[in-house]
Amino acid sequence: KAGVTQTPRYLIKTRGQQVTLSCSPISGHRSVSWYQQTPGQGLQFLFEYFSETQRNKGNFPGRFSGRQFSNSRSEMNVSTLELGDSALYLCASSRGSIDGQETQYFGPGTRLLVL
Amino acid sequence: ILNVEQSPQSLHVQEGDSTNFTCSFPSSNFYALHWYRWETAKSPEALFVMTLNGDEKKKGRISATLNTKEGYSYLYIKGSQPEDSATYLCAPYSGYSTLTFGKGTMLLVSP
Repeated sequence: KAGVTQTPRYLIKTRGQQVTLSCSPISGHRSVSWYQQTPGQGLQFLFEYFSETQRNKGNFPGRFSGRQFSNSRSEMNVSTLELGDSALYLCASSRGSIDGQETQYFGPGTRLLVL
Repeated sequence: ILNVEQSPQSLHVQEGDSTNFTCSFPSSNFYALHWYRWETAKSPEALFVMTLNGDEKKKGRISATLNTKEGYSYLYIKGSQPEDSATYLCAPYSGYSTLTFGKGTMLLVSP
């Protein structure tokens, strides 16, 4: 079974630009969560999508948005990039159970550098 | 937003040493606690999902315990090996497939 894939793996952008990252979950998984990791910070939750609907959202500005398609693939978009958006962005997929006992499977991440 | 604390922040041990880390989390509205191992240049990998007070899970030389009443979990590594070098993350479940991660404990095992 193929794992979670993310594209692109590396990205360099300049301030003010926008960026779109993609995540393809494990086949059969309907939930995709996005996380941001910056130096000195843990993995910070951005948002979670299940069956094309955003179910939960972290404490990030509106410049961060996402969506999910009918095949469960998800994209996240960051508009008007700031230097502080430089980070590793990880997505994780699961079947979407809300009992808390389900493992999330992570992709390799997209490393974004904003100059 | 849950407050999740992990200690120590980093740890350097010699091969063969046993070690343990702590994860503290709010004890109210507890559902489950996840442990992940994150090796450099790889994806975080699930170790354990723990749900019951007093739970103890084991995977090879790694084990974990859970105390939901006081809000902590311990992760133990017996006889550390260089390949155990990684960042160990704990994450209580926050609802709707959301995990709130601690900042992790970075373990370095020297041969």
